[in-house]
Amino acid sequence: QKEVEQDPGPLSVPEGAIVSLNCTYSNSAFQYFMWYRQYSRKGPELLMYTYSSGNKEDGRFTAQVDKSSKYISLFIRDSQPSDSATYLCAMNRETSGSRLTFGEGTQLTVNP
Amino acid sequence: GAVVSQHPSWVICKSGTSVKIECRSLDFQATTMFWYRQFPKQSLMLMATSNEGSKATYEQGVEKDKFLINHASLTLSTLTVTSAHPEDSSFYICSARRRASEQFFGPGTRLTVL
Repeated sequence: QKEVEQDPGPLSVPEGAIVSLNCTYSNSAFQYFMWYRQYSRKGPELLMYTYSSGNKEDGRFTAQVDKSSKYISLFIRDSQPSDSATYLCAMNRETSGSRLTFGEGTQLTVNP
Repeated sequence: GAVVSQHPSWVICKSGTSVKIECRSLDFQATTMFWYRQFPKQSLMLMATSNEGSKATYEQGVEKDKFLINHASLTLSTLTVTSAHPEDSSFYICSARRRASEQFFGPGTRLTVL
């Protein structure tokens, strides 16, 4: 069983829709949670970085962490065609410098 | 966000040659940098962790004599693919850790070995 599970999609939505992306994890030692956006043939771009359970909002993006359920989400409001990319969840332990464990990535297409 | 650059962005080389890829953190110092490899439509695969001033730590199955990593300063790490072969063709991405667990990625280097 993978430590981090993420539905690879593909996910296709119309422009303006609310997008919900999710990851579950099995290792309770994970303390830091991140969402990255990766365009084709580019490096991942850090979108959201959270430490504790709860919500964190940044513009059209909201990251949600529920440590009790070992479940994290990324919501994208008013989705745009430019949001079409692969979204990767990532997490790691408290230990400084510990490596990231990635989800498989969800491929999102926002249709105009 | 912090900026990490990679050079070159793409490279084509002949089988048997060596290729060096540079990773730089432009606006912060990174004591730790990471090197990843990514195949099409797959997630990132960590190859090694590079700490400034010390030897890199390689993941299981990664040949350290083939993938030489040097982290000579707080802003520069290099990956050298020695005696490259077609199976080494891939997308190589570095990341730099700024603080706690924040990692910022470079734009990637596409290596094609003929």
